[in-house]
Amino acid sequence: NAGVTQTPKFQVLKTGQSMTLQCAQDMNHNSMYWYRQDPGMGLRLIYYSASEGTTDKGEVPNGYNVSRLNKREFSLRLESAAPSQTSVYFCASSTDSPEAFFGQGTRLTVV
Amino acid sequence: DQQVKQNSPSLSVQEGRISILNCDYTNSMFDYFLWYKKYPAEGPTFLISISSIKDKNEDGRFTVFLNKSAKHLSLHIVPSQPGDSAVYFCAASALQGSNYKLTFGKGTLLTVNP
Repeated sequence: NAGVTQTPKFQVLKTGQSMTLQCAQDMNHNSMYWYRQDPGMGLRLIYYSASEGTTDKGEVPNGYNVSRLNKREFSLRLESAAPSQTSVYFCASSTDSPEAFFGQGTRLTVV
Repeated sequence: DQQVKQNSPSLSVQEGRISILNCDYTNSMFDYFLWYKKYPAEGPTFLISISSIKDKNEDGRFTVFLNKSAKHLSLHIVPSQPGDSAVYFCAASALQGSNYKLTFGKGTLLTVNP
């Protein structure tokens, strides 16, 4: 079992470029999440999806869009990257319980 | 406003001794609390949790205590081992509709010295 898989692991973007972070889980979980982790800030929720076809904003959604493509996949898109979006991004999934399982993370640098 | 607070950015203990990590919360709607462990360049991994109907949960060397009246929880690691050195995140959850969303603290870096 791979669990939660994120691609890419590292990315450098120029300001204004766009990109999509991919996430897939093989645990048949209904809920999926995108978090960002910044130094001294803990993990903050960007968007989440309670089930296939639904998405909702979290604490810091500005500058991002998401797509729940199917039950397995939940992607995060930056339409026009800004230096403030330099961060480590984590995808997570959970079943009908609070315990979420996290991917390895994507380290994004916007220059 | 921070709903989950970990006021100690770092903690250093000797191998074999007890590590106590603390967490405070402000939202009375939180009904489930979790601890995650994170090594550098890896994702957080679930460690232990406790429901608000309990005041203690134990799993091997790890015990979580919950004091609802004080809105405080703590993680005890006994005995501490060098492999426990990591960042520990406290998280709290409240059921919203059919979904649990986690609110995290800023984390505490635990260093266990041999």
